[in-house]
Amino acid sequence: GQNIDQPTEMTATEGAIVQINCTYQTSGFNGLFWYQQHAGEAPTFLSYNVLDGLEEKGRFSSFLSRSKGYSYLLLKELQMKDSASYLCAVRGSSGGSYIPTFGRGTSLIVHP
Amino acid sequence: NAGVTQTPKFRVLKTGQSMTLLCAQDMNHEYMYWYRQDPGMGLRLIHYSVGEGTTAKGEVPDGYNVSRLKKQNFLLGLESAAPSQTSVYFCASSYDGGGLSNQPQHFGDGTRLSIL
Repeated sequence: GQNIDQPTEMTATEGAIVQINCTYQTSGFNGLFWYQQHAGEAPTFLSYNVLDGLEEKGRFSSFLSRSKGYSYLLLKELQMKDSASYLCAVRGSSGGSYIPTFGRGTSLIVHP
Repeated sequence: NAGVTQTPKFRVLKTGQSMTLLCAQDMNHEYMYWYRQDPGMGLRLIHYSVGEGTTAKGEVPDGYNVSRLKKQNFLLGLESAAPSQTSVYFCASSYDGGGLSNQPQHFGDGTRLSIL
């Protein structure tokens, strides 16, 4: 099975930087995804890591350490529209297929 | 460019009634998934399919059945609805599930289901 942990809620100030952590235990690791989900909407893809290191995409970056079972999503220059839930999903092996499992999500509140 | 389409968007059922949720994708994806999302619980996998004619159980399959008769469609059935099945249901699809693929899941807009 898989076990994925994220903080339940975080708050930050507009213009600041916030780091959302995700720790996991899984068999047959095959990639980690971050999704953003605004209230009442579908999750949308943000980033993907399969090798150790940092992936940067504009204001968003994601880091992975496979040996530590650890990832983080870094959001820079926070904007009010970044208030959303951030979901960490780990893809692991399941009966010969590779199926993502989601953490419970981190609700980020950005205030002025 | 429809992506993943779920029908219906909202539904209210009485305990014991049955219904089918439909998911359709136009991206020629092999993998399709059904999740439920409850407050504080994240997305939990109900059933998934790795190709036409195949289905497999996820984390919370009890009380649900699925079928994948056509590659583009994935149906989720509730045979006898219970109040515990009140939730938001999301369908997703992806290009494939492994091989170091960086292809993410694409989600439908969700179905909000209430069981009275």
